[in-house]
Amino acid sequence: AQKVTQAQTEISVVEKEDVTLDCVYETRDTTYYLFWYKQPPSGELVFLIRRNSFDEQNEISGRYSWNFQKSTSSFNFTITASQVVDSAVYFCALSESGTGGFKTIFGAGTRLFVKA
Amino acid sequence: EAQVTQNPRYLITVTGKKLTVTCSQNMNHEYMSWYRQDPGLGLRQIYYSMNVEVTDKGDVPEGYKVSRKEKRNFPLILESPSPNQTSLYFCASRRGQYTDTQYFGPGTRLTVL
Repeated sequence: AQKVTQAQTEISVVEKEDVTLDCVYETRDTTYYLFWYKQPPSGELVFLIRRNSFDEQNEISGRYSWNFQKSTSSFNFTITASQVVDSAVYFCALSESGTGGFKTIFGAGTRLFVKA
Repeated sequence: EAQVTQNPRYLITVTGKKLTVTCSQNMNHEYMSWYRQDPGLGLRQIYYSMNVEVTDKGDVPEGYKVSRKEKRNFPLILESPSPNQTSLYFCASRRGQYTDTQYFGPGTRLTVL
């Protein structure tokens, strides 16, 4: 069955520290997509990245980077030199082709506190 | 501006009083979906729609109904709300394929007393 696990419920760091948010997924499909979303205190959901199962290339976007490893079914997200504005809840999500692609499974989220 | 809108943004109601949360998108997306967000559980899918007049259950459909009479609108209906439906609700849309990114509405915070 499909499942997304974000084992870290809350993380607290001091500004300028690096922080990694873990995401482990389960799927029987060979074709799937993984996503990360950010939910700031204002409540909206902001898309961060999409990665397909055939592309294990790591990605960097400014202070954000993502490490996708199919061997460990993980899609971890690292924020370098964290800032107070990074404080938010971060969700990892999985969308599979096998269900017709119509179901998206979200992890429970990781709440990140960045202190000044 | 491309967007997904939801109304109302906040609603307090009482048990058993029927309500509808509207969702509209202006991107001509085929696929729309409803989620509820509860602490510690992340977002869980309630219903989704692949196109006009085509809908199906997500993981937590009990107590909810939906309809898709027009491509742009996908209302969520609670015929007889109960306190366990107190939650934050999000509508989302995407162009079509599971490969596409979902765009989320701003959320509707519902409290059922």
